[in-house]
Amino acid sequence: DAGITQSPRHKVTETGTPVTLRCHQTENHRYMYWYRQDPGHGLRLIHYSYGVKDTDKGEVSDGYSVSRSKTEDFLLTLESATSSQTSVYFCAIRNPGQGTFSGNTIYFGEGSWLTVV
Amino acid sequence: DQQVKQNSPSLSVQEGRISILNCDYTNSMFDYFLWYKKYPAEGPTFLISISSIKDKNEDGRFTVFLNKSAKHLSLHIVPSQPGDSAVYFCAARGTMNYGGSQGNLIFGKGTKLSVKP
Repeated sequence: DAGITQSPRHKVTETGTPVTLRCHQTENHRYMYWYRQDPGHGLRLIHYSYGVKDTDKGEVSDGYSVSRSKTEDFLLTLESATSSQTSVYFCAIRNPGQGTFSGNTIYFGEGSWLTVV
Repeated sequence: DQQVKQNSPSLSVQEGRISILNCDYTNSMFDYFLWYKKYPAEGPTFLISISSIKDKNEDGRFTVFLNKSAKHLSLHIVPSQPGDSAVYFCAARGTMNYGGSQGNLIFGKGTKLSVKP
């Protein structure tokens, strides 16, 4: 198993409150990702990081911000949670490695279930 | 606009028979393809991959076929087992110079496979 820990694993929060999800890795991988999974939408990329303090937006970044101050930690923040952000959030990591095609595989954490009421 | 499509939301197969999961893509810049398996309440796990320079990759009961001219790939599971019941996601990666995406993966919506005893 890839050394990825997500916290909290389950959270219920009220609309309008800020929420932060944490992803911690022990693999020293350069790339980290936050995805959300919703019925009928599959896995959609929210934000990703390609190094400490280097982050970029994914497909569904509105309403989310991220920070990466250390290689091992990638935080996802919902500044003001809305019901549409009720979802399962997955952190993932990747190590580019060497060679053209090596390092393409990303490894996922166990997920964080967030309910916004 | 979906770049990776899994047109069958679900598939039911008898134990011992072959399961064939299909995936279509639209972007010829994709050069690497992966399949992930996901059980309920768990994170997706990597299953098998194939680069665009190959047309087949096999790993035990799992074989992935790639037809570049048709922009189509398929995952064959032979023989199917009840433990294979899960959601299967197809994913594709652009070339390193594709749109500055840092080699991010784009996922299909998933196909739920049910293998009946």
